[in-house]
Amino acid sequence: EIVMTQSPATLSVSPGERATLSCRASQSVSSNLAWYQQKPGQAPRLLIYGASTRATGIPARFSGSGSGTEFTLTISSLQSEDFAVYYCQQYNNWPRAFGGGTKVEIK
Amino acid sequence: EVQLVESGGGLVQPGRSLRLSCAASGFTFDDYAMHWVRQAPGKGLEWVSGISWNSGSIGYADSVKGRFTISRDNAKNSLYLQMNSLRAEDTALYYCAKGAEQLVRMPDYWGQGTLVTVSS
Repeated sequence: EIVMTQSPATLSVSPGERATLSCRASQSVSSNLAWYQQKPGQAPRLLIYGASTRATGIPARFSGSGSGTEFTLTISSLQSEDFAVYYCQQYNNWPRAFGGGTKVEIK
Repeated sequence: EVQLVESGGGLVQPGRSLRLSCAASGFTFDDYAMHWVRQAPGKGLEWVSGISWNSGSIGYADSVKGRFTISRDNAKNSLYLQMNSLRAEDTALYYCAKGAEQLVRMPDYWGQGTLVTVSS
């Protein structure tokens, strides 16, 4: 079973600043990695798949990078609506698995 | 517009069974894999199970393997999760999610969830 580890658990960022979130897999997942955003009381929303491809309708300020075991989600200039919890998910191996999440909060 | 509506949640005693359903609309159901993902109160997301477009490929989280069974009825545009031998740690909001592809890879649309509470 692949374990996905996200860091940091909480990231305090000011609006307009860049946020960098990390996701590490316990073994290689190639580029089979997705990122999701979840706001309080809402279902998750797909942001990125294939490690770096933005899903339909996702703003260009969201970008993903990495392959193998190390991945990064970057939000180039945080907007008020971006404060949320972010999860990575691997879909290279069974069982599929999510990371524990990173909460991006207002500094 | 993709719509996923879960039902069947509720309060159940440990060791009992429950069957969740998900009614899908707004897309060609039998072209896509489907997933169940759960979220315990105040916790993160946990992938539970997934089923490919034709039910040919099915997977489960280790925590539910042997107790939960996923199935789909493409004629009824419906997804199901049969949950047996329920435990307190199965208490969570259960999301039905549409897969982005035919195979079980990543979900791209989610329902609003149905709450399952396992308690005596």
